[in-house]
Amino acid sequence: NAGVMQNPRHLVRRRGQEARLRCSPMKGHSHVYWYRQLPEEGLKFMVYLQKENIIDESGMPKERFSAEFPKEGPSILRIQQVVRGDSAAYFCASSPAVGRNTEAFFGQGTRLTVV
Amino acid sequence: KQEVTQIPAALSVPEGENLVLNCSFTDSAIYNLQWFRQDPGKGLTSLLLIQSSQREQTSGRLNASLDKSSGRSTLYIAASQPGDSATYLCAVPGSARQLTFGSGTQLTVLP
Repeated sequence: NAGVMQNPRHLVRRRGQEARLRCSPMKGHSHVYWYRQLPEEGLKFMVYLQKENIIDESGMPKERFSAEFPKEGPSILRIQQVVRGDSAAYFCASSPAVGRNTEAFFGQGTRLTVV
Repeated sequence: KQEVTQIPAALSVPEGENLVLNCSFTDSAIYNLQWFRQDPGKGLTSLLLIQSSQREQTSGRLNASLDKSSGRSTLYIAASQPGDSATYLCAVPGSARQLTFGSGTQLTVLP
């Protein structure tokens, strides 16, 4: 059973381009969370998705950021018109259900560099 | 709004020492608390998940304690080794199980 797979591991984009980050949850997991770790800062929650639904996007920037988790395929975090301040490590976590003590499993992250 | 604080921010110890990392949280109505390890440039590895009904959880040389009433958790590492060098993060889940993380303790174990 492969773990949470994120790709690419490293992504370089020029200012103004689009960045697409992909996350394939563990087999059997239908809940996906995205987190961002800015340089020298802690991990911050961005968005929580179940298949085809956004459950909580309270941590998402209001503009340029969107996320989806389609019925088939990986979850996608999309950043339009990237700026230097978007440079960060983006982590995805998945869980099988939302119980009191459900553990989330993290991927290795995608490190986005905007030049 | 839940806030999680970790002290110290950085810690350097000689190999073999026992050490304690601290985590505090402002809202004691938590389901559990999780400790993670993060190596430079890598993802997060879950170390221990301690449920709200538990006071302690152990895994090998690691022991995590939880005191909900005071909003505190500690991670005890026995007989530290250079391979333990990493950043240690604690996190608590919110109502939708999204995690609020502390800023971490960067541990260096000197050989």
